[in-house]
Parts: sequence; structure tokens; C-alpha cells
Amino acid sequence: RKEVEQDPGPFNVPEGATVAFNCTYSNSASQSFFWYRQDCRKEPKLLMSVYSSGNEDGRFTAQLNRASQYISLLIRDSKLSDSATYLCVVKTGTASKLTFGTGTRLQVTL
Amino acid sequence: EAGVVQSPRYKIIEKKQPVAFWCNPISGHNTLYWYRQNLGQGPELLIRYENEEAVDDSQLPKDRFSAERLKGVDSTLKIQPAELGDSAVYLCASSPNRFGGRGYNEQFFGPGTRLTVL
Repeated sequence: RKEVEQDPGPFNVPEGATVAFNCTYSNSASQSFFWYRQDCRKEPKLLMSVYSSGNEDGRFTAQLNRASQYISLLIRDSKLSDSATYLCVVKTGTASKLTFGTGTRLQVTL
Repeated sequence: EAGVVQSPRYKIIEKKQPVAFWCNPISGHNTLYWYRQNLGQGPELLIRYENEEAVDDSQLPKDRFSAERLKGVDSTLKIQPAELGDSAVYLCASSPNRFGGRGYNEQFFGPGTRLTVL
């Protein structure tokens, strides 16, 4: 079983739609959680951290369920510019080691 | 502020040839990472440096891969000899000191080197 699992997609949604991605992780000792965004043929960039209480950044909402070991990302009012791959990332242990999921590809269309 | 710099951006070589990648992290970042990203996959850590010390190289295929960060700044990753399966994007990332500054958990990635082995 992979440490971090995501549905690779692609998710094809029209502009203005709401879309949600889920991610599961296997190590219950994992401490920190993030969503990174990666545009086509570009490097990954931090989108947002994920906190236990849930957190929001504009149109993006991230949630963590430690009991079920899953993380979610909700994007409201999708824009064409949201088209990218969204990587679920987990940090386990005191070291700065991150484990990345395979990514979920989002394509927002007119 | 300049980001993580990598070179070359693209490299095409024949199998069994050697290849080297170079990375210059963000100034002041003492932690440096090398990742490999295969098509359709997330980045996978190859090696992590704290200053000049390799503190996690458990995923580095040591029979053909080597890395160094001699003065705790720039780093090189080498493959010798390259195999067809090494075709991937090699990403370098850096992060700031864990005991100070904002964004401790954020890793900043360079643009990567896209390697094609023929």
C-alpha cells in the first residue's frame, strides 16, 4: 500500500463548478499535511497547509480527518487557471521528509 | 529573492553514459533535497542534506547514483552509468532552518532537470 494515495483523475469540470479531491495516508503517526500545486512541466509549489480544524484560503478549503486518515481539498467557483495537478503531501517524523501522492489532475473548461 | 536554480534544464544521453545535475538552493536554506519525478507520479525523495551532511539517503540507488554538497551550499547529483529507467525529472528543493524563520515546513522547488536516456 502506498503511503499517500490519491485518485489520479483527470477531473474535468466547467468553470464555476465546485470540485473536491480526497487523499488517504497510511501512517497514523503522520504529523503535518499539505497540498501542493504543480502546473504542467513546472515545479510543485505549496498551495496550503492542512490543519486539524480545517482551514480556508479564498476559494480553497482543506480538511483533515485524523481518525480516517484522509485529507481533502475543496475548490469553489473553479477558474480556468486552477487547471493543474494537485499533490497531497504528508510529513512524518521530526525530520523534514515529505511523502508525495501521485497527484490529482484538474482540468477546468469553459 | 532568487529561487532554487538548477542546470541543465534538459539533458538527453545514451544509456551507459554518465550525467550530472547541479543545484543552487535559496540563499540561507540549509536543507537541500533531491527528488526524482516519473511521469504521472509525485516526487520521490532521493537524498536530503542538512548543510553538508547527507542525513537521509535511504532511497538513493547507491550503485549508480551519487551526490555531494561539499560546502553546504551547491549540490550535484550524478548518475553513472545511466539506464533507460532513469529517464525522469530530477527536482532539487531547499527549505529554511527548522529553528527559525517562517515557512519551516515549506520546501521550495527548482524547475528541475528533465533527463531522457536513449
